[in-house]
Amino acid sequence: DQQVKQNSPSLSVQEGRISILNCDYTNSMFDYFLWYKKYPAEGPTFLISISSIKDKNEDGRFTVFLNKSAKHLSLHIVPSQPGDSAVYFCAASAGSNYQLIWGAGTKLIIKP
Amino acid sequence: GAVVSQHPSRVICKSGTSVKIECRSLDFQATTMFWYRQFPKQSLMLMATSNEGSKATYEQGVEKDKFLINHASLTLSTLTVTSAHPEDSSFYICSASRATPYEQYFGPGTRLTVT
Repeated sequence: DQQVKQNSPSLSVQEGRISILNCDYTNSMFDYFLWYKKYPAEGPTFLISISSIKDKNEDGRFTVFLNKSAKHLSLHIVPSQPGDSAVYFCAASAGSNYQLIWGAGTKLIIKP
Repeated sequence: GAVVSQHPSRVICKSGTSVKIECRSLDFQATTMFWYRQFPKQSLMLMATSNEGSKATYEQGVEKDKFLINHASLTLSTLTVTSAHPEDSSFYICSASRATPYEQYFGPGTRLTVT
């Protein structure tokens, strides 16, 4: 049972435009959500997180939106840059358990 | 801050031998460390969680006798793949977490190839 789903395996966006990466979850106990970026043959890099008590968190070009009623979160990157091309993973955790439940990832390709 | 290193970055070993991978948190004390495995075009699979000074907690389906984890200090965890076989070839990634926040900081990964 996949508790965290990223239904788009890949996404192609023009440079300078907005990239929107989506993530859905099923477990209502999740209270902390994170986005990671991963290049091939490297470990993931933490990007941004959001607590379930918020519905938006912004950090520079990255904004994460959380819709608890829909059990949906999204990562917006604007403007998209070539260096943003990577695989983006959505992850969730519940309570004080640090274990992350991962989505399958979405490969973002930024076209020049 | 929050830098995690892994050593080695790549290792090739013969079938039947054992390989040790080190994971270090360089500038913080990690109360918890995690070991992941990534298969090609798949998400990260959590193998085990370890807290300093106690036995690791393994995920279902992960053989604890094959993947030995030692978390001797707040800055070092090791994963030893014992009696490695070609199917153990994979990309192994560790992460470390502080008490707060919840974010995990990942090492660069180790590519293991068993011939």
